[in-house]
Amino acid sequence: EVQLVETGGGLVQPGRSLKLSCVASGFTFSSYWMYWIRQAPGKGLEWVSSINTDGGSTYYPDSVKGRFTISRDNAENTVYLQMNSLRSEDTATYYCAKDNNNYDFDYWGQGVMVTVSS
Amino acid sequence: DIQMTQSPSLLSASVGDRVTLSCKASQNIYKYLNWYQQKLGEAPKLLIYYTNSLQTGIPSRFSGSGSGTDYTLTISSLQPEDVATYFCQQYNSWYTFGAGTKLELK
Repeated sequence: EVQLVETGGGLVQPGRSLKLSCVASGFTFSSYWMYWIRQAPGKGLEWVSSINTDGGSTYYPDSVKGRFTISRDNAENTVYLQMNSLRSEDTATYYCAKDNNNYDFDYWGQGVMVTVSS
Repeated sequence: DIQMTQSPSLLSASVGDRVTLSCKASQNIYKYLNWYQQKLGEAPKLLIYYTNSLQTGIPSRFSGSGSGTDYTLTISSLQPEDVATYFCQQYNSWYTFGAGTKLELK
C-alpha cells in the first residue's frame, strides 16, 4: 500500500524558515518524480515544487522560486521542502504527492499545516 | 501562465442525477487535463487523467471528456458519497488547478 506521511509543519514567524519532510512507502521511491502542492485555508490547490527521480532537476513557480528548495534522499525514501523567508501568504496545508509518470498526482499524503504569523 | 476556470462554483443535485462539471483553460492544453475529488478534511484523490482515462479503483459512473480549451467531468448517477469538491488540473505548461466545483446534495 502506498503511503506518504508529511511532518514538520507548525506556526512560524514571517521571515523565518521551516523544513517539511515526507516519508514514502509502498512503492519504488527512486523511480518517481515527487511534488509539493499546497492549499491555503478554504482555497484551491497550488503546485509548489517538483523534483525528478535522482534529485538532479528541480522546478518551482515564481511565487516560491528563490525561497523554497525541494530535495530528496532515495536511500531514506524521503522528500523535503526547505522553506525560507516565509510570508503570511505561504500559510497553507502542504501535501506531498507522487507522480504516476504521467504528470498526474496519483497518491497524496494527509497534508501538514504551515501557519506564518507573528 | 495557463488559467483554469471551473463552473459552476457550487452545484446542488439529487441522488441519481446526471451531473456535469466544466473546466475551461485560458489556452489550448491538448487534453493534458486531470480531475481530482477532495472530500472535506481529506487529501485530493485522482479520478481521471489525460482527459478521459479512469484511474484504477474509481467507479465507472465518473467519466471525462473534452479537447482544446473545454473539458467536462460527468457523474452519470450521483451517489451520496460523491459529495465533495472537484478540481481540474492542467499539465500542458507546468501545473495549474481550477478553483474547484463544490458538489452538494439537494
